[in-house]
Amino acid sequence: DVKVTQSSRYLVKRTGEKVFLECVQDMDHENMFWYRQDPGLGLRLIYFSYDVKMKEKGDIPEGYSVSREKKERFSLILESASTNQTSMYLCAGREGANQPQHFGDGTRLSIL
Amino acid sequence: AQKITQTQPGMFVQEKEAVTLDCTYDTSDPSYGLFWYKQPSSGEMIFLIYQGSYDQQNATEGRYSLNFQKARKSANLVISASQLGDSAMYFCAMREGVNSGGYQKVTFGIGTKLQVIP
Repeated sequence: DVKVTQSSRYLVKRTGEKVFLECVQDMDHENMFWYRQDPGLGLRLIYFSYDVKMKEKGDIPEGYSVSREKKERFSLILESASTNQTSMYLCAGREGANQPQHFGDGTRLSIL
Repeated sequence: AQKITQTQPGMFVQEKEAVTLDCTYDTSDPSYGLFWYKQPSSGEMIFLIYQGSYDQQNATEGRYSLNFQKARKSANLVISASQLGDSAMYFCAMREGVNSGGYQKVTFGIGTKLQVIP
């Protein structure tokens, strides 16, 4: 069965720290995505990647970067964490444009 | 401008009744795809149904159907015979076409919270 795994379910960090959120998929998917989910705002796309070392900005990339060195792994990086980055972060993979995304369980990140 | 609009923050439906969740979208590209996902309180995102812009028929998957009205740019989800387990957040999402430069990305609406009443 399809599997997207996010390394942490809950994470607490301090302002100014560099934070890494890891996502691994076992489906050989070309496309991978990072979203943040906030009440009343739905899912907002931060970055996506359509191939190894390829990345595209989503709708809210400010304060974030990503890394995709291997096909199965897509990392989200908060360069200098701030309290307004406290949120639920969801990673997803997708086989093709008309295929549904498969989501990880999410990482609830708190920045203190 | 919002790409995906879901205007119903919350909905109630009686068990065994049908319910329609609204979704309108905005794109000028002729080729696009529309998805609906369910997110129960446990948090996982569950894919429900997909409609391609060139599909001639409305998509159906079990108790889920998609009322696709292309001219009105609406893609409403219809759940028939509601069950208590249908209580969840429901998200509409769109994959745009090549012409708009959004072929690879998927954008979501803000969701509708559905509560099924016994």
